[in-house]
Amino acid sequence: DIQMTQSPSSLSASVGDRVTITCRASHSISNSLNWYQQKPGKAPKLLIYAASSLQSGVPSRFSGSGSGTDFTLTIGSLQPEDFATYYCQQSYFTPDTFGQGTKLEIK
Amino acid sequence: EVQLMESGGGVVQPGGSLRLSCAASGFAFSNYWMYWVRQAPGKGLVWVSRINSDGSSTAYADSVKGRFTISRDNAKNTLYLQMNSLRTEDTAVYYCARLDGYNGLEYLDHWGQGTLVTVSS
Repeated sequence: DIQMTQSPSSLSASVGDRVTITCRASHSISNSLNWYQQKPGKAPKLLIYAASSLQSGVPSRFSGSGSGTDFTLTIGSLQPEDFATYYCQQSYFTPDTFGQGTKLEIK
Repeated sequence: EVQLMESGGGVVQPGGSLRLSCAASGFAFSNYWMYWVRQAPGKGLVWVSRINSDGSSTAYADSVKGRFTISRDNAKNTLYLQMNSLRTEDTAVYYCARLDGYNGLEYLDHWGQGTLVTVSS
Protein backbone atom coordinates (compact mmCIF):
# COMPACT_ATOMS: atom_id res chain seq x y z
CA ASP A 1 0.00 0.00 0.00
CA ILE A 2 1.04 3.60 -0.60
CA GLN A 3 2.11 5.30 2.62
CA MET A 4 1.10 8.92 3.08
CA THR A 5 3.10 10.89 5.65
CA GLN A 6 1.93 14.29 6.83
CA SER A 7 4.00 16.83 8.69
CA PRO A 8 3.72 18.22 11.18
CA SER A 9 1.36 15.98 13.16
CA SER A 10 0.23 19.01 15.13
CA LEU A 11 0.64 22.71 14.75
CA SER A 12 -0.16 25.75 16.88
CA ALA A 13 -0.89 28.99 15.08
CA SER A 14 -2.71 32.29 15.52
CA VAL A 15 -5.57 33.88 13.66
CA GLY A 16 -4.14 35.64 10.62
CA ASP A 17 -1.10 33.36 10.31
CA ARG A 18 -0.12 31.66 7.06
CA VAL A 19 0.15 27.90 7.57
CA THR A 20 1.56 25.13 5.42
CA ILE A 21 1.01 21.39 5.87
CA THR A 22 2.97 18.87 3.85
CA CYS A 23 2.11 15.38 2.65
CA ARG A 24 4.58 12.92 1.18
CA ALA A 25 3.68 9.75 -0.73
CA SER A 26 5.85 6.64 -0.65
CA HIS A 27 5.55 6.34 -4.44
CA SER A 28 4.69 8.79 -7.16
CA ILE A 29 0.96 9.45 -7.37
CA SER A 30 0.99 12.09 -10.10
CA ASN A 31 -1.55 14.70 -8.92
CA SER A 32 -4.07 12.24 -7.41
CA LEU A 33 -3.98 13.92 -4.02
CA ASN A 34 -6.90 15.31 -2.05
CA TRP A 35 -7.15 17.32 1.16
CA TYR A 36 -9.95 17.10 3.75
CA GLN A 37 -10.79 19.12 6.83
CA GLN A 38 -12.41 17.47 9.83
CA LYS A 39 -13.80 19.17 12.92
CA PRO A 40 -14.50 17.25 16.15
CA GLY A 41 -17.57 15.05 15.90
CA LYS A 42 -18.13 15.93 12.25
CA ALA A 43 -17.57 14.21 8.93
CA PRO A 44 -14.56 15.11 6.79
CA LYS A 45 -15.08 17.87 4.24
CA LEU A 46 -13.33 18.00 0.88
CA LEU A 47 -11.17 21.11 0.47
CA ILE A 48 -8.79 20.45 -2.42
CA TYR A 49 -8.86 17.75 -5.10
CA ALA A 50 -6.37 16.80 -7.79
CA ALA A 51 -3.63 18.44 -5.71
CA SER A 52 -4.57 22.03 -6.50
CA SER A 53 -8.25 22.36 -7.43
CA LEU A 54 -10.43 24.17 -4.91
CA GLN A 55 -13.71 22.44 -4.12
CA SER A 56 -16.79 24.54 -4.74
CA GLY A 57 -17.69 26.67 -1.74
CA VAL A 58 -14.28 26.44 -0.07
CA PRO A 59 -12.70 29.81 0.75
CA SER A 60 -9.88 30.95 -1.51
CA ARG A 61 -7.46 31.22 1.43
CA PHE A 62 -7.04 27.45 1.02
CA SER A 63 -4.67 26.32 -1.73
CA GLY A 64 -2.84 23.16 -2.68
CA SER A 65 0.22 22.37 -4.73
CA GLY A 66 2.55 19.55 -5.65
CA SER A 67 2.91 16.55 -7.89
CA GLY A 68 4.60 13.18 -7.78
CA THR A 69 5.42 12.51 -4.13
CA ASP A 70 5.41 15.91 -2.40
CA PHE A 71 2.36 18.04 -1.75
CA THR A 72 1.39 21.04 0.35
CA LEU A 73 -1.79 22.54 1.72
CA THR A 74 -1.55 26.25 2.52
CA ILE A 75 -4.01 28.37 4.45
CA GLY A 76 -3.34 31.97 3.53
CA SER A 77 -4.69 33.75 6.59
CA LEU A 78 -6.04 31.56 9.38
CA GLN A 79 -9.60 32.18 10.49
CA PRO A 80 -11.12 30.91 13.75
CA GLU A 81 -13.18 28.30 11.89
CA ASP A 82 -10.02 26.77 10.33
CA PHE A 83 -8.84 25.15 13.55
CA ALA A 84 -9.42 21.49 12.79
CA THR A 85 -7.62 18.34 11.68
CA TYR A 86 -6.47 18.06 8.07
CA TYR A 87 -5.94 14.84 6.12
CA CYS A 88 -4.38 14.15 2.75
CA GLN A 89 -5.54 11.18 0.67
CA GLN A 90 -4.10 9.52 -2.41
CA SER A 91 -6.50 8.08 -4.98
CA TYR A 92 -3.93 6.86 -7.52
CA PHE A 93 -3.55 3.32 -6.20
CA THR A 94 -6.07 0.95 -4.62
CA PRO A 95 -6.43 0.95 -1.69
CA ASP A 96 -6.87 4.67 -1.25
CA THR A 97 -4.79 5.75 1.71
CA PHE A 98 -4.92 8.73 4.03
CA GLY A 99 -2.23 10.56 5.89
CA GLN A 100 -2.26 10.34 9.67
CA GLY A 101 -3.67 13.85 10.02
CA THR A 102 -2.40 17.26 11.11
CA LYS A 103 -4.18 18.85 14.06
CA LEU A 104 -4.20 22.64 13.79
CA GLU A 105 -4.67 24.30 17.15
CA ILE A 106 -5.01 27.86 18.34
CA LYS A 107 -1.86 29.36 19.86
CA GLU B 1 -28.82 19.03 -2.01
CA VAL B 2 -26.72 15.89 -1.78
CA GLN B 3 -27.40 13.97 1.43
CA LEU B 4 -25.97 10.74 2.78
CA MET B 5 -27.35 9.31 5.99
CA GLU B 6 -25.89 6.26 7.68
CA SER B 7 -27.74 4.02 10.10
CA GLY B 8 -27.40 0.61 11.71
CA GLY B 9 -24.53 1.20 14.10
CA GLY B 10 -24.60 0.01 17.67
CA VAL B 11 -22.96 -2.21 20.25
CA VAL B 12 -22.19 -5.81 19.28
CA GLN B 13 -20.18 -8.60 20.87
CA PRO B 14 -16.99 -9.92 19.26
CA GLY B 15 -17.91 -12.42 16.58
CA GLY B 16 -21.25 -10.77 15.99
CA SER B 17 -22.73 -9.11 12.91
CA LEU B 18 -24.18 -5.75 11.92
CA ARG B 19 -25.49 -4.29 8.70
CA LEU B 20 -24.93 -0.61 8.05
CA SER B 21 -27.07 1.35 5.61
CA CYS B 22 -26.45 4.64 3.86
CA ALA B 23 -29.50 6.36 2.38
CA ALA B 24 -28.66 8.71 -0.47
CA SER B 25 -30.70 11.61 -1.80
CA GLY B 26 -30.32 14.71 -3.93
CA PHE B 27 -28.31 13.09 -6.73
CA ALA B 28 -28.44 10.24 -9.25
CA PHE B 29 -27.19 7.54 -6.89
CA SER B 30 -26.93 4.88 -9.61
CA ASN B 31 -24.31 6.96 -11.47
CA TYR B 32 -21.74 7.08 -8.67
CA TRP B 33 -19.22 4.78 -7.05
CA MET B 34 -19.54 4.73 -3.27
CA TYR B 35 -17.11 4.21 -0.41
CA TRP B 36 -17.07 3.20 3.23
CA VAL B 37 -14.39 4.85 5.36
CA ARG B 38 -13.95 4.31 9.11
CA GLN B 39 -12.34 6.17 11.96
CA ALA B 40 -11.45 4.49 15.24
CA PRO B 41 -11.84 6.67 18.35
CA GLY B 42 -9.15 9.36 18.35
CA LYS B 43 -7.53 7.96 15.22
CA GLY B 44 -7.33 8.81 11.53
CA LEU B 45 -9.37 7.91 8.47
CA VAL B 46 -9.10 4.44 6.96
CA TRP B 47 -10.60 3.22 3.69
CA VAL B 48 -12.76 0.11 4.18
CA SER B 49 -14.48 -0.71 0.90
CA ARG B 50 -15.78 0.63 -2.38
CA ILE B 51 -18.35 -0.38 -4.95
CA ASN B 52 -18.88 0.71 -8.53
CA SER B 53 -22.04 2.31 -9.82
CA ASP B 54 -23.94 -0.87 -10.78
CA GLY B 55 -22.58 -3.03 -7.98
CA SER B 56 -20.65 -5.38 -10.23
CA SER B 57 -17.21 -4.51 -8.85
CA THR B 58 -16.12 -4.25 -5.23
CA ALA B 59 -12.88 -3.90 -3.29
CA TYR B 60 -11.95 -4.26 0.37
CA ALA B 61 -9.18 -3.36 2.75
CA ASP B 62 -7.15 -6.42 3.75
CA SER B 63 -8.27 -5.94 7.36
CA VAL B 64 -11.93 -6.62 6.48
CA LYS B 65 -11.64 -8.89 3.44
CA GLY B 66 -13.71 -12.03 3.85
CA ARG B 67 -15.68 -10.55 6.76
CA PHE B 68 -17.36 -7.46 5.30
CA THR B 69 -19.55 -7.23 2.20
CA ILE B 70 -20.45 -4.01 0.43
CA SER B 71 -23.56 -3.86 -1.72
CA ARG B 72 -26.08 -1.40 -3.06
CA ASP B 73 -29.71 -1.19 -4.11
CA ASN B 74 -29.98 1.46 -6.78
CA ALA B 75 -33.78 1.23 -6.80
CA LYS B 76 -33.77 2.22 -3.12
CA ASN B 77 -30.82 4.66 -3.38
CA THR B 78 -29.13 2.81 -0.55
CA LEU B 79 -25.62 1.55 0.12
CA TYR B 80 -24.94 -1.28 2.57
CA LEU B 81 -22.07 -2.75 4.55
CA GLN B 82 -22.64 -6.21 5.99
CA MET B 83 -20.13 -6.77 8.77
CA ASN B 84 -19.61 -10.31 10.08
CA SER B 85 -17.14 -11.84 12.53
CA LEU B 86 -16.66 -8.46 14.14
CA ARG B 87 -13.53 -7.81 16.18
CA THR B 88 -12.79 -5.24 18.84
CA GLU B 89 -10.50 -3.48 16.36
CA ASP B 90 -13.51 -2.83 14.10
CA THR B 91 -14.79 -0.33 16.66
CA ALA B 92 -15.08 2.96 14.79
CA VAL B 93 -17.33 5.57 13.27
CA TYR B 94 -18.24 4.37 9.79
CA TYR B 95 -18.80 6.95 7.07
CA CYS B 96 -20.26 6.45 3.63
CA ALA B 97 -18.99 8.80 0.95
CA ARG B 98 -19.63 9.54 -2.70
CA LEU B 99 -16.80 9.25 -5.21
CA ASP B 100 -16.61 11.87 -7.91
CA GLY B 101 -13.90 12.75 -10.39
CA TYR B 102 -12.75 13.22 -13.94
CA ASN B 103 -9.91 12.01 -16.16
CA GLY B 104 -8.87 9.43 -13.56
CA LEU B 105 -8.69 12.00 -10.76
CA GLU B 106 -11.03 10.87 -7.99
CA TYR B 107 -12.13 12.35 -4.68
CA LEU B 108 -14.78 11.91 -1.99
CA ASP B 109 -16.91 14.99 -2.37
CA HIS B 110 -19.81 14.20 -0.03
CA TRP B 111 -19.82 12.32 3.26
CA GLY B 112 -22.51 11.12 5.63
CA GLN B 113 -22.51 12.07 9.29
CA GLY B 114 -21.23 8.64 10.35
CA THR B 115 -22.56 5.80 12.48
CA LEU B 116 -20.72 4.40 15.50
CA VAL B 117 -20.00 0.69 15.72
CA THR B 118 -18.74 -0.57 19.07
CA VAL B 119 -17.50 -4.14 19.34
CA SER B 120 -17.24 -5.10 22.98
CA SER B 121 -18.08 -7.92 25.31
